[in-house]
Amino acid sequence: GQQVMQIPQYQHVQEGEDFTTYCNSSTTLSNIQWYKQRPGGHPVFLIQLVKSGEVKKQKRLTFQFGEAKKNSSLHITATQTTDVGTYFCAGFRDYKLSFGAGTTVTVRA
Amino acid sequence: EPEVTQTPSHQVTQMGQEVILRCVPISNHLYFYWYRQILGQKVEFLVSFYNNEISEKSEIFDDQFSVERPDGSNFTLKIRSTKLEDSAMYFCARGILRDLGEQYFGPGTRLTVT
Repeated sequence: GQQVMQIPQYQHVQEGEDFTTYCNSSTTLSNIQWYKQRPGGHPVFLIQLVKSGEVKKQKRLTFQFGEAKKNSSLHITATQTTDVGTYFCAGFRDYKLSFGAGTTVTVRA
Repeated sequence: EPEVTQTPSHQVTQMGQEVILRCVPISNHLYFYWYRQILGQKVEFLVSFYNNEISEKSEIFDDQFSVERPDGSNFTLKIRSTKLEDSAMYFCARGILRDLGEQYFGPGTRLTVT
C-alpha cells in the first residue's frame, strides 16, 4: 500500500528561526496536502499542491511539491509561538488520503 | 467555525460492546470520511462515503466496522464489538470534490475501551 514518510518527527526551534519538514511518498500522488494539528485538536487543512514542481506560500509558510509528485516540503520562516503543533503531510491517491507521521514542533521563546 | 460536529466528544465503553459515533454536517455535503488517530500516532484513513454508499475503505475497516447515513443527515460509524486497540480519536471529515481530496475535520470523538 501507499506509504508516506515524514521527517523529522520532532523539531525544537528557537523563536525567530527557520525550519523545514520533509515528506516522501512511495508512489506518485495526485496531490499532496498539509494539515496542522494543535495539541488536543483536530487536523486543520492548510494547503493542497496539485502540479509537479508547484510552490505555494502562505505568509511565513512555503510549500513545495516535487517534480516527480512524490515528495514535498514545508518551510517556515521566523518561527513564532503560534506555530506550535504537529504538521502532517497527506498524499492523495486513488481517492484516499495517506498521512505521514507528522512533525511535532515546539518553540523556545 | 466547525465544518462538521461530532458526538459524543468522549465515549468510554467496555471491551466487546458496540459503539456508535455520530457526525453531523453543518450543510449538505456529499463526501464524508472517517479517520482514526491512536494517541501520539498519525491519522489513519478508515472509509469514505459518497452518495450514501461506501466509496473506498482501508484495510483497517474490517467487518467490525460499518457506516451509514440513517436519516439523510447524521453520518455514523459503528464498531460492533470493541477491542482495546480500538481506543483512539475518531475524526469525521467532509470533502468538497472527490478528485481533489481536501478535507475538513470535525473535533473528533475520543473512544476509550476498557
